[in-house]
Amino acid sequence: GAVVSQHPSWVICKSGTSVKIECRSLDFQATTMFWYRQFPKQSLMLMATSNEGSKATYEQGVEKDKFLINHASLTLSTLTVTSAHPEDSSFYICSARAGTSGRNEQFFGPGTRLTVL
Amino acid sequence: GEDVEQSLFLSVREGDSSVINCTYTDSSSTYLYWYKQEPGAGLQLLTYIFSNMDMKQDQRLTVLLNKKDKHLSLRIADTQTGDSAIYFCAETEYSSASKIIFGSGTRLSIRP
Repeated sequence: GAVVSQHPSWVICKSGTSVKIECRSLDFQATTMFWYRQFPKQSLMLMATSNEGSKATYEQGVEKDKFLINHASLTLSTLTVTSAHPEDSSFYICSARAGTSGRNEQFFGPGTRLTVL
Repeated sequence: GEDVEQSLFLSVREGDSSVINCTYTDSSSTYLYWYKQEPGAGLQLLTYIFSNMDMKQDQRLTVLLNKKDKHLSLRIADTQTGDSAIYFCAETEYSSASKIIFGSGTRLSIRP
């Protein structure tokens, strides 16, 4: 099946620094990638949707200047958490969709755990 | 807006059947999904059902959909220790074909 990877799998950083998380579709071209955030024992909350070559669409309440998303190629999307603070600590999961099938099948990455000290 | 609800915990004895329930509010839902998340990992799609179906079976998994009551269930037969995980119910509309709305997840624990 389709494989999506994320790098790094975990990261610890100091408050005020920026962190970049990569999401790659390894064996298919992803026209659309999604970024989710998951707090402990909670569900996934969609942060933004990105289409290759265009600006990301952010969900209400998500600061686009804080969470920078770049989808420069059909196999790579990056999420940069700028000036990270402890409240940004969370599990970030990306997913990728190959086409526009009605089934809307998304393949999920393994997630990146961000801890901001 | 759309909402998907699940109970938070379920504990079953090994070998018994597990039934995880989910309700949703969006009558435009086209596809309904069950995802499995093991500790520290991403989501794995277990199965899905199209809204014009009322049942789907796949090996140990049986999905039942009551569209009138907007109720979805996942039955896992002969539950094993490897089934311990969080199970998310999710739905999407055909028109948007973009957002998947997730429930809060049900943590399934298996006791010997």
